[in-house]
Parts: sequence; C-alpha cells; structure tokens
Amino acid sequence: QVQLQESGPGLVKPSQTLSLTCTVSGGSISSPDDYWSWIRQHAGKGLEWIGYIYYDGSTFYNPFLTSRVTISVDTSKNQFSLKLTSVTAADTAVYYCARGELVWVDWGQGTLVTVSS
Amino acid sequence: DIVMTQSPDSLAVSLGERATINCKSSQNVLYSSNNKNYLAWYQQRPGQPPKLVISWASTRESGVPDRFSGSGSGTDFTLTISSLQAEDVAVYYCQQYYRSRTFGQGTKVEIK
Repeated sequence: QVQLQESGPGLVKPSQTLSLTCTVSGGSISSPDDYWSWIRQHAGKGLEWIGYIYYDGSTFYNPFLTSRVTISVDTSKNQFSLKLTSVTAADTAVYYCARGELVWVDWGQGTLVTVSS
Repeated sequence: DIVMTQSPDSLAVSLGERATINCKSSQNVLYSSNNKNYLAWYQQRPGQPPKLVISWASTRESGVPDRFSGSGSGTDFTLTISSLQAEDVAVYYCQQYYRSRTFGQGTKVEIK
C-alpha cells in the first residue's frame, strides 16, 4: 500500500508563499497509473481539491486557485510539492496529499498550515 | 463550478438503525457516453484523513462493509448505512468528479 507524508512549515506569514512536500513510499511516483493530488480542509469545514500532477509533469488545478498554485514533481526523490502564493488567513487549513486523479484512496495524515503574522 | 449540497447537516441514529444521507449536485454528473455517475462518498473520523467508501455513485470500495450502499443518478444521490455501528460515527462527504472536483459540506453522523 502506498504511503504519503506531508512536510513543510506550519506557519506562513500573510502575502508569502506556502510550500509543502509530499513524500511517497511503497510505490513509485513515476507510475503511469497514478496521479498525485493536493487537497485542503479548513478548520471545521469541508474539503477543497487544489490540484494534481502526473509523473510527466502535467498538471490540472482547481480553477478558483489556479492563479496562485504550482504543483511540481521530483521523481528522483519520489516526492511532489505544492506552492501557493500570496497567502491570506483564508488559506489556513489542513493540507493533505493523496494518490488519485478522480477520487483518492491513499491519503497522508495531513499537516496544519496557519497563515498569521 | 458544480455545487454539492448535502442534507441533513447532522443526524443521530440509534445503533442498528438506518442512516440516510442525501447529496444534490447543482448540475448533472451522469456522463452519457459511459452511463456513469461521477460521484463518490467519503467517511472521515475525527483526526483522520477521509476514507473513500463509494465511487461511481454505487461501487463500494474494497473492505467497506456491505451495510454501506450508494444510490441515485444525475443530480440526486443517497448514502445509506443499513444498520449503524459505533465505528460508523463520522462525517460523511459526497464529491463530484464530473467537472473539476468539489465536495459537499459534510454530514455528521452520531449515535442517538
């Protein structure tokens, strides 16, 4: 079973860039069968899909976030990453990485990112 | 953007009784070329990531108990837990993957 683990700063200042990395184990990020996604969950609220990447670097982003989001992949490290620019308090959330394009079976445990000065 | 609306926001059900959660999409999520509904259900227990329970509106994931069932088509869907168990206490989300990906607001299931 594929395992995923998010890592990155838990606190980001407003207007700065949020950067997170997801390390994949138990499977190859270069598998042509898989897509790799980021999803977030605001405190006490619902879920929001951010986007996904394929091993060849092709991406698909949530239209509401596309101007601020970049997802990249590092096949040598079996990792993929999220960058979200110009953050505000509204970007405070638990960020999950997950395996899948349409739906997600394997998830990381999530990491809380707080946007505050 | 396809908006997913769940009802109720919360419900309390006695152990062994039926729990029913509804999900309505603002647009049709049935793809006519393959006759598949692009609709999934997730279970999220406290402190845990969501767990995929049902995909394609009615296909149970491997290992999911058969007391969980999904139904519906087009814009109206239902998740039914036929006999509620203590371990089913969670928040349940529907999600469409017909166009982009969006979730419902969640329904909290508790024991009465």
